[in-house]
Amino acid sequence: SQELEQSPQSLIVQEGKNLTINCTSSKTLYGLYWYKQKYGEGLIFLMMLQKGGEEKSHEKITAKLDEKKQQSSLHITASQPSHAGIYLCGAAHGSSNTGKLIFGQGTTLQVKP
Amino acid sequence: NAGVTQTPKFRVLKTGQSMTLLCAQDMNHEYMYWYRQDPGMGLRLIHYSVGEGTTAKGEVPDGYNVSRLKKQNFLLGLESAAPSQTSVYFCASSYPLGTPSGEQFFGPGTRLTVL
Repeated sequence: SQELEQSPQSLIVQEGKNLTINCTSSKTLYGLYWYKQKYGEGLIFLMMLQKGGEEKSHEKITAKLDEKKQQSSLHITASQPSHAGIYLCGAAHGSSNTGKLIFGQGTTLQVKP
Repeated sequence: NAGVTQTPKFRVLKTGQSMTLLCAQDMNHEYMYWYRQDPGMGLRLIHYSVGEGTTAKGEVPDGYNVSRLKKQNFLLGLESAAPSQTSVYFCASSYPLGTPSGEQFFGPGTRLTVL
């Protein structure tokens, strides 16, 4: 959806390198969700951010929400082959409680051993 | 807990045929969703439901119908399949947005090909 743009669309990194994926919204964010998808499988929830300036980490993955810029970033430190997959951000744009999310087009990550 | 399950995993249809995709969740979630995923397009919401007996249209509802007769099940129907409906279909369920467990839980997907 053009409401939510991810960059880059694809990324190839050497194992051990750091990387960042960005997700930019054209509308006010009420919540931002990051998911990971392995090829041919469903989506696995990573993190949810709701408040401006919020930052969450899980293992070597850190996500931040810049509410003023309506943008979120996902940073992976010391990448490993297990980090390979498709990363998707999903945004809640409305305050109504329907739970609807708009998803970005995804970023495909390859990690070379 | 099985989480979110989808039936079938794969299906090939001919143009004009009909089929129903079944989604089931055992987490007592109120909200359920059907998405389709196409290359370079991310996930697009087809229909969703905020409770038993209720359904609503998402971004791309044309050509699809849904029903939520039981809280744990959400059915997606294609009355007359078209090649443009070739896609991977994902079902998801969640508690209300903003709750501590408000994230959506996804099924493994159904890969549908329409010839």
